[in-house]
Amino acid sequence: KAGVTQTPRYLIKTRGQQVTLSCSPISGHRSVSWYQQTPGQGLQFLFEYFSETQRNKGNFPGRFSGRQFSNSRSEMNVSTLELGDSALYLCASSETRGRSNTGELFFGEGSRLTVL
Amino acid sequence: AQSVTQLGSHVSVSEGALVLLRCNYSSSVPPYLFWYVQYPNQGLQLLLKYTTGATLVKGINGFEAEFKKSETSFHLTKPSAHMSDAAEYFCAVRRTGGGNKLTFGTGTQLKVEL
Repeated sequence: KAGVTQTPRYLIKTRGQQVTLSCSPISGHRSVSWYQQTPGQGLQFLFEYFSETQRNKGNFPGRFSGRQFSNSRSEMNVSTLELGDSALYLCASSETRGRSNTGELFFGEGSRLTVL
Repeated sequence: AQSVTQLGSHVSVSEGALVLLRCNYSSSVPPYLFWYVQYPNQGLQLLLKYTTGATLVKGINGFEAEFKKSETSFHLTKPSAHMSDAAEYFCAVRRTGGGNKLTFGTGTQLKVEL
């Protein structure tokens, strides 16, 4: 079974631009979460999608947005890029969610964004 | 809000020595606990998890962790370090009923020396 696939792996943007990152979860997984990883702030939760609906959101400005499609694939978008948005963006998928879900998250290799 | 504290941002051990990476969590209700490993330029890989039941959890690559409710700890151990264990390790907590949101510790970089 293929793992979580993130594209692109590396990208360079300049301040003020916008970027879209893509994530294809493991086949059959319906939950997709996004995390930002930086040396200063560590791993921070961005948002979680399940059945095309945002279920959870972290403490990030509105410039960060996402969506999930009917095939569970997800995209996240960052508009008006700032230098501080330079980070590794990780996507993770899980079979399901809910109170009884004890499953793990499976992470992709990430998209490394550099903002100049 | 839940939080996770990893003591020691850098730990260095000799090959063959015991590995002990510390993790403490704050939660009024026992959460689900995880240890993930990250190798350079890669994503996170699950080492082990605690949900319910047995408090001593065995994971991949010879790692194990013990959930101690009284100490709110979930320390990661491995009896004998190998050079390939050099990586960054993250402890994470997920609140029951909180969806799939993980709260991560700040990570511990493990160095293994000859």
